[in-house]
Formats: sequence, structure tokens, C-alpha cells
Amino acid sequence: DAKTTQPTSMDCAEGRAANLPCNHSTISGNEYVYWYRQIHSQGPQYIIHGLKNNETNEMASLIITEDRKSSTLILPHATLRDTAVYYCIVRLLNNNDMRFGAGTRLTVKP
Amino acid sequence: EAGVAQSPRYKIIEKRQSVAFWCNPISGHATLYWYQQILGQGPKLLIQFQNNGVVDDSQLPKDRFSAERLKGVDSTLKIQPAKLEDSAVYLCASSPVAYEQYFGPGTRLTVT
Repeated sequence: DAKTTQPTSMDCAEGRAANLPCNHSTISGNEYVYWYRQIHSQGPQYIIHGLKNNETNEMASLIITEDRKSSTLILPHATLRDTAVYYCIVRLLNNNDMRFGAGTRLTVKP
Repeated sequence: EAGVAQSPRYKIIEKRQSVAFWCNPISGHATLYWYQQILGQGPKLLIQFQNNGVVDDSQLPKDRFSAERLKGVDSTLKIQPAKLEDSAVYLCASSPVAYEQYFGPGTRLTVT
């Protein structure tokens, strides 16, 4: 699986959009981009995934660049409960071996 | 739907002792995983089961760690003997045949 690079930490004001970047320059054509988050003292939680088209669900939006070398997770209206570590992972759809990096620690501030 | 259950939530043992963790996956999920998460790092896969067969245990320290999945449902992860560096959160996850994984709350192990 391709490796990813994420900023160590980010801050965001409550109510504003949180934009979390991820670089995956070595991603292969059939690898998907997955996002998980981990709130303190809980297990990771699935957020969203995509191949090349932008995706949106009730939690977030995923924007993947045309060359697929980077992506951005968008939380449109961040709340204090969105404070967590966010992991960007690239993997084959049917490969369940997810390689977690250190992720981005997002802190949403009042 | 009930989530992945794990017990105990916390465990403190001395080095060289043994410890076991239990996981009950979401009903109907064929695949079960055990991860180790050391403080400040992302989870690292230890072992993956498909029903009651091992799919991948390449990162499991087999000299001290063992895992089994009885009847393709519940699973236990054992450490014997424990070392100080085994202090971590042990996460269990399950999934249908493919796609996203669902994680339990984890067991926090402290080895003193």
C-alpha cells in the first residue's frame, strides 16, 4: 500500500470548516483513499472513502485531486466533538490490511 | 446494531506475567482483526482472521503473542510473558468480507 503524509496537528474554530490535507504521491491506480478518525479513548471510526471522484456523506466530504496524489477531508461545520486524530490511508478495496500513520491531531476550539 | 465488544477495558500486570483479551465482533462479520496501538502512534495490525482461519499474522510476535478465533466468532489475544514494551491499547475490529472496519473501544494494557 502507498504511504501517506499528513500534518501532525491542526486547529480549527468551532463552526468553521476543517480542511485536513493528505499527500499520497505514490498511490496506484486501483488504490482507494480512506479516512478514519479516533476520538480520545475510543477505537478508530470510519469516515469516508473514494477512488477518484469527490465523495460526500453525512459526516464529511472528500476531495481528491485529478492526479490522485493528494486529497482533502472537509468537515463543513466543525464542532468540539470533532476533536480527534484523523488518519488518511490508501489501500486496495479488498485488502483489509490498513497501514495507519500517526495521523493529524485536529483540535476544534470554541 | 451492537458494536464490537472488548474486555477488559483496562489491565495492569507485571512484566513476565500473562494476560488475555477478549473480543466479540459484530454479528455476521466474517473478518476479525487485532491491532496494537502504542501511545502517540497509529494502530498496527497484529493478526487478521477470515472466519476462524488466519489470513495474516506477519506482524504478530509469535514468541509471546497468540490469538485464536473460536467457531469463527469470538476471539482471544494472549501475551505470555509480557514485556514492558507491550504496554499499549489493543484494538479489535471486524468487517464484512471487504470494505470498512468497525473498531471496538480497545483494552489498555499497562505492564510494570
